[in-house]
Amino acid sequence: EAQVTQNPRYLITVTGKKLTVTCSQNMNHEYMSWYRQDPGLGLRQIYYSMNVEVTDKGDVPEGYKVSRKEKRNFPLILESPSPNQTSLYFCATSRSGGREAFFGQGTRLTVV
Amino acid sequence: QQQVKQSPQSLIVQKGGISIINCAYENTAFDYFPWYQQFPGKGPALLIAIRPDVSEKKEGRFTISFNKSAKQFSLHIMDSQPGDSATYFCAASNRETSGSRLTFGEGTQLTVNP
Repeated sequence: EAQVTQNPRYLITVTGKKLTVTCSQNMNHEYMSWYRQDPGLGLRQIYYSMNVEVTDKGDVPEGYKVSRKEKRNFPLILESPSPNQTSLYFCATSRSGGREAFFGQGTRLTVV
Repeated sequence: QQQVKQSPQSLIVQKGGISIINCAYENTAFDYFPWYQQFPGKGPALLIAIRPDVSEKKEGRFTISFNKSAKQFSLHIMDSQPGDSATYFCAASNRETSGSRLTFGEGTQLTVNP
């Protein structure tokens, strides 16, 4: 079954404590992205990756890091989380030249 | 700055009615306009999409209308059903960035009352 798997699904953490949200896909897609979803703002792209070792900033990259060492994995790293990063996060993938994005189930992060 | 603006923010429709959600975009380089549907606790999923060389696309009860000169597009849900209750996002992308860079609207929470 084609899947985009995010972990954890829910996370409550404290300000400044480094955390990583993992994303893994089994569709052999080249493109992977991270979005955050906030009420009234829709989905905003944080970072994206066109392929292994190729990443670029999206619209709201501040406070986030990513890496793409393997094709299937695209972790999102918050080095020093702050309360304004409390949000619902989605990982998405698409194939090279493809238009459809496939989303994970989401990770709800609360930073207190 | 929101490059794709969506309205309304929320919409309540009676079963059997027509739901209409509107979007406007600014970037004329956009050449692909999908709509995503999101149920609570799930990620968004592609519902229907249109390219700017056609003015309308229909799939079952869902229709996209596209007005290139006005830089607007809309989603019409005919015979709306309670199972259509979800959040709907319009989006846009261009050939260069393909599916890796979608610009989304703010979202519309649709409630269809039985």
